[in-house]
Amino acid sequence: QGQLVQSGAEVKKPGASVKVSCKASGYTFTNYGIDWVRQAPGQGLEWMGWISTYKGDTKVAQKLQGRVTMTRDTSTDTAYLEVRSLRPDDTAVYYCARDAEGFDPWGQGTLVTVSS
Amino acid sequence: DIVLTQSPATLSLSPGERANLSCRTSQTISSSYFAWYQQKPGQPPRLLMYGAFNRATGIPDRFSGSGSRTDFTLTINSLEPEDCAVYFCQQYGFSPYTFGQGTKVEI
Repeated sequence: QGQLVQSGAEVKKPGASVKVSCKASGYTFTNYGIDWVRQAPGQGLEWMGWISTYKGDTKVAQKLQGRVTMTRDTSTDTAYLEVRSLRPDDTAVYYCARDAEGFDPWGQGTLVTVSS
Repeated sequence: DIVLTQSPATLSLSPGERANLSCRTSQTISSSYFAWYQQKPGQPPRLLMYGAFNRATGIPDRFSGSGSRTDFTLTINSLEPEDCAVYFCQQYGFSPYTFGQGTKVEI
């Protein structure tokens, strides 16, 4: 089973940074990686990257490298996604998901709005 | 990157009918790393199938998956009104993991 609960909605100005949290419960956090996926309004799903909750290794989608950092805190079973130098086209719902066989479960999503 | 192309974009059917959703990948992938998701408005995606034909926990048996190499299908038998949603396919065998653009099922 398991559950992922994300932090609340954010409104940021272009050029700012945002950090989204994803707290896991109901399973052993370090047994599964966490993926981050975003969905722009009315659009499809874009995989952003993955973090090993055990070692902290990451894989980040090439188009986001240099702007995205994924971390985790095993003392609180929480994963974090930081996006820097935000642009209006970063406006999206950001999801975390447990990397099991497929992505399951998903967090409820965090809306990040980038607007001046 | 592996591109996933779903068809049709929209499927309009009646309750009780069967839906066949197609997903084609731009290169051969292992069926072990192929999944289907259902997404309803305002909700996160929900895993339906993993490994191409394994139903996730709690998924009704009217959902089934098939296919291999570059061609995969999600079949929904005997559609129910609650099956109204957008369905996405995904490959998670090669980084970057990629999704199809979605098929909207209208009932």
